[in-house]
Amino acid sequence: QSALTQPASVSGSPGQSITISCTGTSSDVGSYNLVSWYQQHPGKAPKLMIYEGSKRPSGVSNRFSGSKSGNTASLTISGLQAEDEADYYCCSYAGSSTRVFGGGTKLTVL
Amino acid sequence: QVQLVESGGGLVKPGGSLRLSCAASGFTFSDYYMSWIRQAPGKGLEWVSYISSSGSTIYYADSVKGRFTISRDNAKNSLYLQMNSLRAEDTAVYYCARDGTRGPNWFDPWGQGTLVTVSS
Repeated sequence: QSALTQPASVSGSPGQSITISCTGTSSDVGSYNLVSWYQQHPGKAPKLMIYEGSKRPSGVSNRFSGSKSGNTASLTISGLQAEDEADYYCCSYAGSSTRVFGGGTKLTVL
Repeated sequence: QVQLVESGGGLVKPGGSLRLSCAASGFTFSDYYMSWIRQAPGKGLEWVSYISSSGSTIYYADSVKGRFTISRDNAKNSLYLQMNSLRAEDTAVYYCARDGTRGPNWFDPWGQGTLVTVSS
């Protein structure tokens, strides 16, 4: 499968909101409600931030929200904080128990 | 607390083999599907393989099919990845991650990763 498409980088100032898009196809994002988002700080393991498109795990700030429209999923971070600076990856179920990740987006908090 | 700890990474020559292990604790390992995910240096994440809770259902990414074998030992709360015919492009940090209880869904948590370097 081809990787999902994410912007290489996004930036925002503290307190602002940003949105990261994740575009797939009708074979992955568009067909299943199984998009998840992961945050990865340098040298660390990824951390689950959103699952099933819009659900937040316990302990994840409600500043993080997810949505989906057609073949595109989105992660929105509101009230940006310095600690949000990290790489973000989307992931979708792609059928036959396979998964496909996005290429990753580097978030810079200005 | 839920914890996954990988081991077994290292330097191996092209064409060589390596076996990775992932020790699970803090949850009922036999209830969960498990996956391996890798990340080449400076690159993004790539799903590698998936095994059902009983071990009866297994899937691989096309990039490793025929060369890698995933397995598990529920009595030892352990997940494994046997990697054969290794190539330079297999160089990556390999993470194990807990998957769903009734099928593939999301990865949570992840282990700290183990680095595999394929080089002559």
